[in-house]
Amino acid sequence: GQNIDQPTEMTATEGAIVQINCTYQTSGFNGLFWYQQHAGEAPTFLSYNVLDGLEEKGRFSSFLSRSKGYSYLLLKELQMKDSASYLCAVRDRNYQLIWGAGTKLIIKP
Amino acid sequence: IAGITQAPTSQILAAGRRMTLRCTQDMRHNAMYWYRQDLGLGLRLIHYSNTAGTTGKGEVPDGYSVSRANTDDFPLTLASAVPSQTSVYFCASSPAGESGEQFFGPGTRLTVL
Repeated sequence: GQNIDQPTEMTATEGAIVQINCTYQTSGFNGLFWYQQHAGEAPTFLSYNVLDGLEEKGRFSSFLSRSKGYSYLLLKELQMKDSASYLCAVRDRNYQLIWGAGTKLIIKP
Repeated sequence: IAGITQAPTSQILAAGRRMTLRCTQDMRHNAMYWYRQDLGLGLRLIHYSNTAGTTGKGEVPDGYSVSRANTDDFPLTLASAVPSQTSVYFCASSPAGESGEQFFGPGTRLTVL
């Protein structure tokens, strides 16, 4: 079967750095996505990785290791507005997204 | 309109009733999707359409049907609603291309009693 694993909840302090991990086992691999979802709202796109390595976009970076079936999302200089759920999704061989259950990130002052 | 709109925003429905959730996008994206999101679970694909005139089944299609008569609209119909279909429903679309990120509508919160 196909499976995406990520921690259910994480807590971090404003101004700090946090790393959210995602491991996956899917039928084929055609890219990995990270989305942010604030409570009661729709998911919004953060990043896309298809090759191994780090993709940096402002305060957010995403890393991929295809051989390990592993990705992480790194958030720097945390702000209160970063409190949200972070969803990891893998595009499988049929080009459909398989979604993890999401990691709820709580930011404390 | 800009992006994707969904209607209604929320709905309470009696079991056994028929319901259509509406989704419209103005980005001329070829592909559209319907997901349901339940607490503790990831988004689950119900149905999708890669282009106008074609549809396909996702992970959890039972009890739902879709149509794609044109590029912009992708309605989802529950023929006879059951309580297990209580969920938040998101419509999404994506353009062709390498990343093909999905853009989501604001969601419809459906409660079936």
